[in-house]
Amino acid sequence: KQEVTQIPAALSVPEGENLVLNCSFTDSAIYNLQWFRQDPGKGLTSLLLIQSSQREQTSGRLNASLDKSSGRSTLYIAASQPGDSATYLCAVDTGANSKLTFGKGITLSVRP
Amino acid sequence: SQTIHQWPATLVQPVGSPLSLECTVEGTSNPNLYWYRQAAGRGLQLLFYSIGIDQISSEVPQNLSASRPQDRQFILSSKKLLLSDSGFYLCAGSRNTEAFFGQGTRLTVV
Repeated sequence: KQEVTQIPAALSVPEGENLVLNCSFTDSAIYNLQWFRQDPGKGLTSLLLIQSSQREQTSGRLNASLDKSSGRSTLYIAASQPGDSATYLCAVDTGANSKLTFGKGITLSVRP
Repeated sequence: SQTIHQWPATLVQPVGSPLSLECTVEGTSNPNLYWYRQAAGRGLQLLFYSIGIDQISSEVPQNLSASRPQDRQFILSSKKLLLSDSGFYLCAGSRNTEAFFGQGTRLTVV
């Protein structure tokens, strides 16, 4: 059974810092991996999707990498801003009808 | 672009009352559709998924049911709510691998 882990559960950084959020998964036979952002009381917004054949994806200040063999992904946020404060969730798709297995998320707080 | 509309945003229901949450999809046809529940301190748990009209699979035994009467409509229901049904319910769709989510419904059973 696929398990996805995100540690730590919470992170607080000063504005301007570059930071890395980690995600690990137990079964490397994945179809793709997706990073989401969730604001309090809201739904999920897709940030980046990495297919299993890809190593990384970039969007603006965000860069996500994937190392399937070691079961790891990282989300890099450059020059963090207070508006980046949210919970970041990692999810893996094992290809069976695109059902996603989620980590519990990392709640990020960027201090002005 | 693909959009999920989900309502209501919040709902307070007494124990034993029925439930009906609806979501509709715009911007794509024949998507896979999902209902997830997010409980406090826990990750998102997949409850149901559907690959087409009237095709529903349940992932966990529970007090809830789902239906898909139309290609872009997905409904989560219960005949009698339990306190343990409280949580944040998210409808999601998937087309060409990328998942997209609605804004969620906060259900409180009292």
